[in-house]
Amino acid sequence: GQNIDQPTEMTATEGAIVQINCTYQTSGFNGLFWYQQHAGEAPTFLSYNVLDGLEEKGRFSSFLSRSKGYSYLLLKELQMKDSASYLCAVRDRGDTGRRALTFGSGTRLQVQP
Amino acid sequence: ETGVTQTPRHLVMGMTNKKSLKCEQHLGHNAMYWYKQSAKKPLELMFVYSLEERVENNSVPSRFSPECPNSSHLFLHLHTLQPEDSALYLCASSQDRLAGVEDTQYFGPGTRLTVL
Repeated sequence: GQNIDQPTEMTATEGAIVQINCTYQTSGFNGLFWYQQHAGEAPTFLSYNVLDGLEEKGRFSSFLSRSKGYSYLLLKELQMKDSASYLCAVRDRGDTGRRALTFGSGTRLQVQP
Repeated sequence: ETGVTQTPRHLVMGMTNKKSLKCEQHLGHNAMYWYKQSAKKPLELMFVYSLEERVENNSVPSRFSPECPNSSHLFLHLHTLQPEDSALYLCASSQDRLAGVEDTQYFGPGTRLTVL
């Protein structure tokens, strides 16, 4: 099984940098995903990490440490439209569960002017 | 993003009604999923279909019945639901591979279900 923890809420200022942490305990690991979800909308894919290190995509970066069961999503040059929930999800490595994603409860980010 | 569509977007039903949710993916994927998202709870995986075969059923009550007639369409048939089943039901699809970003799941907009 999987257990995923991330902060419930965060607040940051427009133009600033914010880091959203995610820790996980898992019986198997086959990749970690970050999704963004605006209220009432579908989650949209942001990033994927399976090896240790940093993946950068424009203003968004994601980091993974498998030995520590830890990831973070870094958002730079925050914009008002970045106000959303950010979901951390871990993919299992079971024979039947290799497709399954286990999601954290999400971090609701509020960007203020 | 219109890769994965869901209808209806909103549904209100009584506990004795029978209704169906529909999902269609236009991405050429071979795996489809149903998730439930309740307020302040994580997304919960309900069912997984790969190549039109159900490969996962996460202890979902029998009042939820999935159907996958082909790799592009997925249904969730609902009957005698309970008020606690009120939630956002999300469909997703992916290209089923062993691992990698190619296996990323892409979500539809969801159906907001209210059971009275």
